[in-house]
Amino acid sequence: GENVEQHPSTLSVQEGDSAVIKCTYSDSASNYFPWYKQELGKRPQLIIDIRSNVGEKKDQRIAVTLNKTAKHFSLHITETQPEDSAVYFCAASTRGYQKVTFGTGTKLQVIP
Amino acid sequence: GAVVSQHPSRVICKSGTSVKIECRSLDFQATTMFWYRQFPKQSLMLMATSNEGSKATYEQGVEKDKFLINHASLTLSTLTVTSAHPEDSSFYICSAGTDANTEAFFGQGTRLTVV
Repeated sequence: GENVEQHPSTLSVQEGDSAVIKCTYSDSASNYFPWYKQELGKRPQLIIDIRSNVGEKKDQRIAVTLNKTAKHFSLHITETQPEDSAVYFCAASTRGYQKVTFGTGTKLQVIP
Repeated sequence: GAVVSQHPSRVICKSGTSVKIECRSLDFQATTMFWYRQFPKQSLMLMATSNEGSKATYEQGVEKDKFLINHASLTLSTLTVTSAHPEDSSFYICSAGTDANTEAFFGQGTRLTVV
């Protein structure tokens, strides 16, 4: 089955700086890569996603890049704010867009 | 977006008893729902795929006789944790989507504590 690795596990940045989280996946058939933000005790919230036919996608301060050849994808958050502090999960899916395999998670702390 | 609701949000039960968790799609029909488990400070791990009108598909290592899944209607899937033990204490989350080509929507999760 699919295996998704994510790093770093923790990340501290100063407010206003950028944060980058990287993931790798194992199944070359994966075609959908969502990113989720999860606050303590709450449900994962989709913040951005990318399909395998796209190399990059941006939504305001958030961007995601995908390298299918290397099986890497990354999340970039610019101009970080304290409210960006949370745990972020990457994920990958090989069949449809709903059955996803999650990465191990990154706890992001934005220091005011 | 589509709304998925779970009930209860928190439950405490005694060891050896069973607990039922409901997952409902409020404004759409879902032929497939997914159940995840998340231990503290860990990732979400897929437990099983719930299929309306047929048997659930369990991931490797998940005991189907312990985690009973019923998907009797297009808007409701239930997960029953049978003979619960303290090690079953976890955050259980379901997800569903309007169709295979749309994002998954997650329920708010159920915090199960077995004492």
